[in-house]
Amino acid sequence: KQEVTQIPAALSVPEGENLVLNCSFTDSAIYNLQWFRQDPGKGLTSLLLIQSSQREQTSGRLNASLDKSSGRSTLYIAASQPGDSATYLCAVRPEYNFNKFYFGSGTKLNVKP
Amino acid sequence: DTGVSQDPRHKITKRGQNVTFRCDPISEHNRLYWYRQTLGQGPEFLTYFQNEAQLEKSRLLSDRFSAERPKGSFSTLEIQRTEQGDSAMYLCASSFRDRKEKLFFGSGTQLSVL
Repeated sequence: KQEVTQIPAALSVPEGENLVLNCSFTDSAIYNLQWFRQDPGKGLTSLLLIQSSQREQTSGRLNASLDKSSGRSTLYIAASQPGDSATYLCAVRPEYNFNKFYFGSGTKLNVKP
Repeated sequence: DTGVSQDPRHKITKRGQNVTFRCDPISEHNRLYWYRQTLGQGPEFLTYFQNEAQLEKSRLLSDRFSAERPKGSFSTLEIQRTEQGDSAMYLCASSFRDRKEKLFFGSGTQLSVL
């Protein structure tokens, strides 16, 4: 069974810092990986999706990378802002079970003004 | 594209009561998923529909849980004889069968069983 781990569980940084969130998965046979943002009490908002054949995806201040062979993905946030404060979750879609995503427990980010 | 819609946003019920949640996916999406999320954890897969067919159910989905997607449009998730352990956020997601299969989530239904 695929297991997804996100480290750290929580992170607090001053505004303006660049930061990296980590996601690791145990089975490298993935179809794609998706990063989400979740605000308290809300649903998940998709940020970036990386296909297994891709190395990275960028959207604005966000850059996600994927190293499938080592079972790792990172989400890089440049010039962090207080509005970036939220929980960030990664999810992997296995090749062998296309119907499921496996989620990590998330990294709770707090950007201090 | 109006996004994935879920109703109600919050539900408080007493133990033993039945509850039903509704999900309206993005109109052209033929795949629909239900997930459950407890505090501090990532979402856990419950069940999956392709059009009107329920193709997979998690072992988390006990006999008290049932989901339907009549006509391949909206979906309902019913929990019978609710227990306190059912308290969680119930999330619906949908995707379109293309190369990317990007997942779009609704805002969720927060269930509290007293």
